[in-house]
This record gives sequence, structure tokens and C-alpha cells, in this order.
Amino acid sequence: ETGVTQTPRHLVMGMTNKKSLKCEQHLGHNAMYWYKQSAKKPLELMFVYSLEERVENNSVPSRFSPECPNSSHLFLHLHTLQPEDSALYLCASSQDSGTLYGYTFGSGTRLTVV
Amino acid sequence: AQSVTQLDSQVPVFEEAPVELRCNYSSSVSVYLFWYVQYPNQGLQLLLKYLSGSTLVKGINGFEAEFNKSQTSFHLRKPSVHISDTAEYFCAVSEASGTYKYIFGTGTRLKVLA
Repeated sequence: ETGVTQTPRHLVMGMTNKKSLKCEQHLGHNAMYWYKQSAKKPLELMFVYSLEERVENNSVPSRFSPECPNSSHLFLHLHTLQPEDSALYLCASSQDSGTLYGYTFGSGTRLTVV
Repeated sequence: AQSVTQLDSQVPVFEEAPVELRCNYSSSVSVYLFWYVQYPNQGLQLLLKYLSGSTLVKGINGFEAEFNKSQTSFHLRKPSVHISDTAEYFCAVSEASGTYKYIFGTGTRLKVLA
């Protein structure tokens, strides 16, 4: 499989649940990202990993916890979420900072918090 | 800090008509500019980018954009649209120094009518 793959595609969870989103890239990129996409709002950068080290954390609440075990995999661990966290969560990867070739995005996980 | 403004949230246009999607940015430093497209239930896909050189850049699917430094704009155009161009289009800017984050606009929904 090529590109950036995100699982699951859809997730419904209660506010007391714990779940994880998974992202996998087969492009040999060295940077990976989590973005949150909510209706009528710009894409919000949540986390950036470069060479498996976190280089950016945009004041994201601690109920979101990222993990990057290697350059091909990225996880977003979720716990005690709020209804306003319902959104499309997009994973992306790039070679270096992405300015030369852009980002490659996955299809996203549609998260609904009930 | 940079910002991106997409002036139109929705643009309806008839098939085979030309279209222009507007994007303005502000920044105190040199920037790179990008357009991405998001089809329903998919992630974002890079359409084209401006890094330097010729101010008219051509991308995939017959789209092109023109960088205008004096007007701080990067408008996207297509001379003749197809039904399949119906999607959401995002303008993005990043610092030319190569940081790990883009600033995205709020998106413009292009609806092509038969």
C-alpha cells in the first residue's frame, strides 16, 4: 500500500473512553503531522514530528497524546474527550519541512464524541 | 506571523466556465504559497506551489495560479471547469525559512453546476 493510510475512517466514542488513531506512511518521509479539521475553521496544526522527535506542539489539550514510534507510524491517543473535539483528524507526511514537495495527507478519521 | 484569507467560502460556477478562487496572505518574511484540493471524504492533495521564479505556476488538473507580491495574492484559476472539479480548495502559506508548519485558509467550496 502506498501513500498515507489512516485508521479507523470513522470513530464514535464516549467522553470517558480511551481510543487511538493510527497513521502509517509508505513514502519514506521523515516528518509527520496531525491536523484537526473542523467545519468553517482553518486546518489546525496539532503536532509535528521530525525524525521521530516532536518539534511542534500547538497548545493542544493534554487529552490528546501523540506517539511516533518510528518514521513510518504516528498515533494520536485520545482520552476524556469533549463534544467540541468532534472533527476530522488528518495525518500528513513530508520530506523535511514540506516546502519543496508539499505534504501528503491521509483520508482522515472522522471522530464523533458523544 | 503569517495569515491567509480566502475571500469566498463558496463559489458556484457552470461547467466549462472559467473560475478564479481568491487567496490573499500577509507576512513579514518571504513565503512559499500552495494550493491544495480536498475531494469529499478524502484528505488534501497538492495542486500547485510557488517557491520562486516565474510568478505563474501550473499545477495538476489544468489549474494555474499567479503570485502577485505587490497585492499579496495567489489566486487560483482554471479556464474551463468540469463537474469533477467540485471540491474544497485550500490556500496555504509557509515561511521560506522552512519551518514545519503551514498556515491554511478556511477553504473555498467550488461547486460546478451542469
